[in-house]
Amino acid sequence: RKEVEQDPGPFNVPEGATVAFNCTYSNSASQSFFWYRQDCRKEPKLLMSVYSSGNEDGRFTAQLNRASQYISLLIRDSKLSDSATYLCVVRSGGYQKVTFGIGTKLQVIP
Amino acid sequence: DGGITQSPKYLFRKEGQNVTLSCEQNLNHDAMYWYRQDPGQGLRLIYYSQIVNDFQKGDIAEGYSVSREKKESFPLTVTSAQKNPTAFYLCASSTGAVVPVRGELFFGEGSRLTVL
Repeated sequence: RKEVEQDPGPFNVPEGATVAFNCTYSNSASQSFFWYRQDCRKEPKLLMSVYSSGNEDGRFTAQLNRASQYISLLIRDSKLSDSATYLCVVRSGGYQKVTFGIGTKLQVIP
Repeated sequence: DGGITQSPKYLFRKEGQNVTLSCEQNLNHDAMYWYRQDPGQGLRLIYYSQIVNDFQKGDIAEGYSVSREKKESFPLTVTSAQKNPTAFYLCASSTGAVVPVRGELFFGEGSRLTVL
């Protein structure tokens, strides 16, 4: 089983739709969780950290479920500019142990 | 502005040649990393360094070498021993807190290496 698993997609959604991605992780001792966004041929950029109580940033909501070992990202009112690959990132066992998921590709269509 | 600078952005190399990719950060971060990304694949860790003069192999270190003589700098050498060097190389840094309360990674813009 991979340490961090994501559905690679692509998810094709119309503008204005709500879309959700999940990511599962295998190490129950994982401590920090993040969602990164990566545009085509660019570097990943931090979208948001994921806190135990869940957190929201504008149209984006992140949730953590430690019991089931998954994190989720919800995007409301999708924009064309949301088209990108969303990487799930899990940090555990000290600051050097950072594992990336393969990423989920989102394409928002007009 | 603080950030991470990678150079060159694009690099072409003939088989059998070593190349060195530069990575400089002015974020005062202790930890630095090198990742490789291939099409359709996730990021894979090549090497990381927690502190000056110390570095550790990641998951795919064979054919690569690094040095960490200064806190700000973590160059990666892709040697001729690396069998499939054509890839997108990303350098990152993070705070080196023992307690990883946040610890997000900050990335450079990447270096795209093509072996001819």
